[in-house]
Amino acid sequence: KQEVTQIPAALSVPEGENLVLNCSFTDSAIYNLQWFRQDPGKGLTSLLLIQSSQREQTSGRLNASLDKSSGRSTLYIAASQPGDSATYLCAGANAGGTSYGKLTFGQGTILTVHP
Amino acid sequence: NAGVTQTPKFQVLKTGQSMTLQCAQDMNHEYMSWYRQDPGMGLRLIHYSVGAGITDQGEVPNGYNVSRSTTEDFPLRLLSAAPSQTSVYFCASSYSSWGQNTEAFFGQGTRLTVV
Repeated sequence: KQEVTQIPAALSVPEGENLVLNCSFTDSAIYNLQWFRQDPGKGLTSLLLIQSSQREQTSGRLNASLDKSSGRSTLYIAASQPGDSATYLCAGANAGGTSYGKLTFGQGTILTVHP
Repeated sequence: NAGVTQTPKFQVLKTGQSMTLQCAQDMNHEYMSWYRQDPGMGLRLIHYSVGAGITDQGEVPNGYNVSRSTTEDFPLRLLSAAPSQTSVYFCASSYSSWGQNTEAFFGQGTRLTVV
């Protein structure tokens, strides 16, 4: 059974700082990993999707990497802004059988960027 | 660009009442799923569907029913509401190709309180 862990649970940084959010998973038979952002009382917004054949994806100030062999993914946020404050969730999807299409979520990292 | 639409956004039920949470997507995605989000528990899969007429149970299916008569719609029915079903419910959809899913899109959620 896939298990996903996110560290740290909460992070507070000053504006402008570069930061890294960590996500680890137990089953290396993962075929994609997705990072989401959730604002209080809102739904999940997809940030980046990394397929198992890829090592990283970039969108603007965000860069996500995937290392299947070590069971880890990181989300790098460059030059953080107060508007980046939110909960960040990672979710892994496994291939085939009874795992088909199911996303296993981490508990999330609550990020606060203060001016 | 409607994406995934959930209704209602908020609902209060009395114990024992039944109701249906609606979910519709306009992206022609085969794969749809329902999650519930609870403090300290993260997001957990309730039911999912790989296409019209095909549904299956997720991690926490008890007390919920689903059906998928069309590609667009995937309603979640609470048969006899219990306080333990107080939660935020999210519907998600994704494109499926050769048994592997691409980016998942989530609705804005339904906040349900059972009293």
